[in-house]
Amino acid sequence: DVKVTQSSRYLVKRTGEKVFLECVQDMDHENMFWYRQDPGLGLRLIYFSYDVKMKEKGDIPEGYSVSREKKERFSLILESASTNQTSMYLCASSPGHLLGKKLFFGSGTQLSVL
Amino acid sequence: AQRVTQPEKLLSVFKGAPVELKCNYSYSGSPELFWYVQYSRQRLQLLLRHISRESIKGFTADLNKGETSFHLKKPFAQEEDSAMYYCALSGLSGGYNKLIFGAGTRLAVHP
Repeated sequence: DVKVTQSSRYLVKRTGEKVFLECVQDMDHENMFWYRQDPGLGLRLIYFSYDVKMKEKGDIPEGYSVSREKKERFSLILESASTNQTSMYLCASSPGHLLGKKLFFGSGTQLSVL
Repeated sequence: AQRVTQPEKLLSVFKGAPVELKCNYSYSGSPELFWYVQYSRQRLQLLLRHISRESIKGFTADLNKGETSFHLKKPFAQEEDSAMYYCALSGLSGGYNKLIFGAGTRLAVHP
């Protein structure tokens, strides 16, 4: 069974802090994704990566960056956290041939920026 | 531009009643549509995809290209169907297949 693990379930940070959200998958998937989930807005794609050291912007990349130094790990970075980045963040992965199709999700990180 | 619209935020039904969760999409090419589900305290997971034409947990969904719809249906709702349901579209954007989600519909099945 595919396991996508997000390092923190809940995180509380202050405005202006640099925040790292970590995600690890154990199924050797090529593709990894970061979404944010907000009530009434659904899931919106922030960034995705289809290979090590490769990254592509999603629909709402502003204020975020990502890092993928190893195949199994995909990090989301908030350079200077703001209150409007308070949200549930979901990491996902998929095999190479299923890019943008069948995604396996982590449990999510609920980030609160005060 | 790709877009997925789920017009209902909440759908409330009684056990045994039929259920239809609506999904409409906008996409210029040939889309691939999915339904994802998130049960309470569980991860978001794939429920079904239109190309499989299968029934999962009694749910079916048919792609109607003329009406650009992919509604999710179940003839008799069960309490365990209570969850958040997301319709999603996979289409080419910027050279890559991206999965775009709707806003979601919460299904509440009452005893």
